[in-house]
Amino acid sequence: AQSVAQPEDQVNVAEGNPLTVKCTYSVSGNPYLFWYVQYPNRGLQFLLKYITGDNLVKGSYGFEAEFNKSQTSFHLKKPSALVSDSALYFCAVRGPTDSWGKLQFGAGTQVVVTP
Amino acid sequence: SQTIHQWPATLVQPVGSPLSLECTVEGTSNPNLYWYRQAAGRGLQLLFYSVGIGQISSEVPQNLSASRPQDRQFILSSKKLLLSDSGFYLCAWTAGGPPGELFFGEGSRLTVL
Repeated sequence: AQSVAQPEDQVNVAEGNPLTVKCTYSVSGNPYLFWYVQYPNRGLQFLLKYITGDNLVKGSYGFEAEFNKSQTSFHLKKPSALVSDSALYFCAVRGPTDSWGKLQFGAGTQVVVTP
Repeated sequence: SQTIHQWPATLVQPVGSPLSLECTVEGTSNPNLYWYRQAAGRGLQLLFYSVGIGQISSEVPQNLSASRPQDRQFILSSKKLLLSDSGFYLCAWTAGGPPGELFFGEGSRLTVL
């Protein structure tokens, strides 16, 4: 069965500094990988996805993620963090034979960006 | 474009009372629909999913049930709420094809007292 690990419960970064949120996965076969962001008392917003091809995926709000097959990682990155990026971030994976939409989510990483 | 609506946004119910949360999707047909619960502001647990009218799959045994009376309507119900049913309930949809990313509604916060 597939699984996702987000090893950091919280990430603290100063505004203007680079932001990285880590994600590693375990799946049989080629994975479909996703990142979502959640603001307080709101639903999850889709940021980006990896299907195949280029290992660097660009998404919404200036975020990007790098797929690394050998390290089974899909870290989320932003070159210059904003205070408004403070939120809860979820990584998710779907295996190649899993039903559409049945994603396995990580536990989430709280990002705090200080002015 | 597609949109997803959930209501009510917040709900406070006594133990033993019934529950009905509704979710509708606009701008697409024959979506796959999902109910998730988020406890303590973190982990997401898939409760039910549906690939078509009247077709419901349950992921975990619990006090809740789901129904899909129309193509773009998904309802989460309970006959008698428990304290442990409190949480943030999220409805989501995806088109039936790869890669299967989910699009979520704004959520319904349920407090059982």
